[in-house]
Amino acid sequence: DVKVTQSSRYLVKRTGEKVFLECVQDMDHENMFWYRQDPGLGLRLIYFSYDVKMKEKGDIPEGYSVSREKKERFSLILESASTNQTSMYLCASSPGNRDRVNYGYTFGSGTRLTVV
Amino acid sequence: RKEVEQDPGPFNVPEGATVAFNCTYSNSASQSFFWYRQDCRKEPKLLMSVYSSGNEDGRFTAQLNRASQYISLLIRDSKLSDSATYLCVGVYNFNKFYFGSGTKLNVKP
Repeated sequence: DVKVTQSSRYLVKRTGEKVFLECVQDMDHENMFWYRQDPGLGLRLIYFSYDVKMKEKGDIPEGYSVSREKKERFSLILESASTNQTSMYLCASSPGNRDRVNYGYTFGSGTRLTVV
Repeated sequence: RKEVEQDPGPFNVPEGATVAFNCTYSNSASQSFFWYRQDCRKEPKLLMSVYSSGNEDGRFTAQLNRASQYISLLIRDSKLSDSATYLCVGVYNFNKFYFGSGTKLNVKP
């Protein structure tokens, strides 16, 4: 089974802190994604990456950046945490456009971030 | 307007009931669709893919109607363990997934 591991399950940070959320997948997937999930708003895409050192903005990239230095690792960075970034953050990976067939995502177990 | 919309529910049904959820999507260029299941405080997990011809997996049947731009999920003989939130997903450009906000199902004894 594909495993997507997020480094922290729960995190509490102060406003203005720089926050790193780490995600590692063990199945050599090309694609990795960061979402946040909020009640009533569902899952919203922050950033995604199709390859090492490659990144693209999702729908809500403001206040976030990402890093993909190795294929298996995709990091989400909150440059200066704010209270409106309190949310559940979910990392996902997928095997990419092989033969133009879609594969579902596999998600990590999520990081519940509270910014106080 | 959201790319993918679902009735948030909750749908409260007795054990053994048949329940159906619909999900509409706005982008006719979407290539494929999925249903995910999410338990409380857990990550979403892939339930099934959705094909135009319809597909069935045990008590679950998924259907895609491209003409009307909706997908559906039918659950027969509901079990208590089916209680969860069900998310529908539309995929564009083969990699960009848009999730609905989810439909909550409560199956009661």
